[in-house]
Amino acid sequence: LAKTTQPISMDSYEGQEVNITCSHNNIATNDYITWYQQFPSQGPRFIIQGYKTKVTNEVASLFIPADRKSSTLSLPRVSLSDTAVYYCLVGDGQAGTALIFGKGTTLSVSS
Amino acid sequence: DSGVTQTPKHLITATGQRVTLRCSPRSGDLSVYWYQQSLDQGLQFLIQYYNGEERAKGNILERFSAQQFPDLHSELNLSSLELGDSALYFCASSAWGGGHSSTDTQYFGPGTRLTVL
Repeated sequence: LAKTTQPISMDSYEGQEVNITCSHNNIATNDYITWYQQFPSQGPRFIIQGYKTKVTNEVASLFIPADRKSSTLSLPRVSLSDTAVYYCLVGDGQAGTALIFGKGTTLSVSS
Repeated sequence: DSGVTQTPKHLITATGQRVTLRCSPRSGDLSVYWYQQSLDQGLQFLIQYYNGEERAKGNILERFSAQQFPDLHSELNLSSLELGDSALYFCASSAWGGGHSSTDTQYFGPGTRLTVL
């Protein structure tokens, strides 16, 4: 499984766009990039997954450059409720595979 | 609400004791995963079951064991408890059907907070 590197923490204010970048230099051809969100004392929650270019859903966008050695999770107009830990996971996306979590990025949103 | 339920929500016990944590996966999900989250270790994968069979083992201690029953609920048994076993224990489930599909989302339960005194 590819190793990922993310910032330990980030601060933002309500209404701003937040971009969290994850580095995964040794990503393999079959690897997908997945982001999970975790609130204190709750289980992680799937946010978004992508393989290349850009993926968008109702809560976030995921930007993946052509070399796929990094990816950026973009949260538009964050609110206080977006304060959480965000995990970037890289793996072959094969179904039925356990997730390997890193330290994640703690996002703190202030008013 | 992910659809995954875990009981109990909190558990306080003493060193040397044995406890059982229970997980009910989302309706229709065949795979169950157990994770441990402690302050200094982050989220660690323990063990995975698929349709009643053990499929993968992670950093699970020999004092810990698990099983998945015919109705697909799972139990994690922790014995000879030590102070260091205090943690949040999460169960997750996925719809993975045993084939070679390329993507699969895991849905996590609310967790069981275990405190060993």
